[in-house]
Amino acid sequence: KQEVTQIPAALSVPEGENLVLNCSFTDSAIYNLQWFRQDPGKGLTSLLLIQSSQREQTSGRLNASLDKSSGRSTLYIAASQPGDSATYLCAVNPGRRALTFGSGTRLQVQP
Amino acid sequence: SAVISQKPSRDICQRGTSLTIQCQVDSQVTMMFWYRQQPGQSLTLIATANQGSEATYESGFVIDKFPISRPNLTFSTLTVSNMSPEDSSIYLCSVEDSPNYGYTFGSGTRLTVV
Repeated sequence: KQEVTQIPAALSVPEGENLVLNCSFTDSAIYNLQWFRQDPGKGLTSLLLIQSSQREQTSGRLNASLDKSSGRSTLYIAASQPGDSATYLCAVNPGRRALTFGSGTRLQVQP
Repeated sequence: SAVISQKPSRDICQRGTSLTIQCQVDSQVTMMFWYRQQPGQSLTLIATANQGSEATYESGFVIDKFPISRPNLTFSTLTVSNMSPEDSSIYLCSVEDSPNYGYTFGSGTRLTVV
């Protein structure tokens, strides 16, 4: 059974810092991996999707990497802003089935 | 990418009653997924809904408690039946948009049972 772990569980940083969120998964047979953002009490917003054949994806200040063989992904946020404060969720897709989610990293960026 | 309209966005319900949550997708999709997110927790899959067949439920979730309808390829409902305070959660529906876009989620239904 696939298990997804996210470290750290919570993170508080001052504005402007670069930061890295970690995601690990136990079964490397994945179709792709997706990073989401969730604001309190809200739904999920997709940030980045990495296919199993890719190493990284970038969108603005966000960069996500994938090392499928070692079961790891990282989300890098450059020059963090207070508006980045949210919970970040990593989810793996086994292929044409539901996603398996990590427990999330709760990020607070202090102005 | 697909757009999902989920209703209601929130509700406060009395214990023992039922609430039906609706999800409308702006394109035809084969599978729709229903998740529960308990306070402070991550998402847990309730069931997978395919059009024209019964939903497939995950361990710990049963049809009598969470009946699901999937009348066509763009619409699904989840009912939370005979509610108790332990059912207070955010409920979300999701579809696989495409292999290139990944999965899209509805905006969620925040349910409080009193």
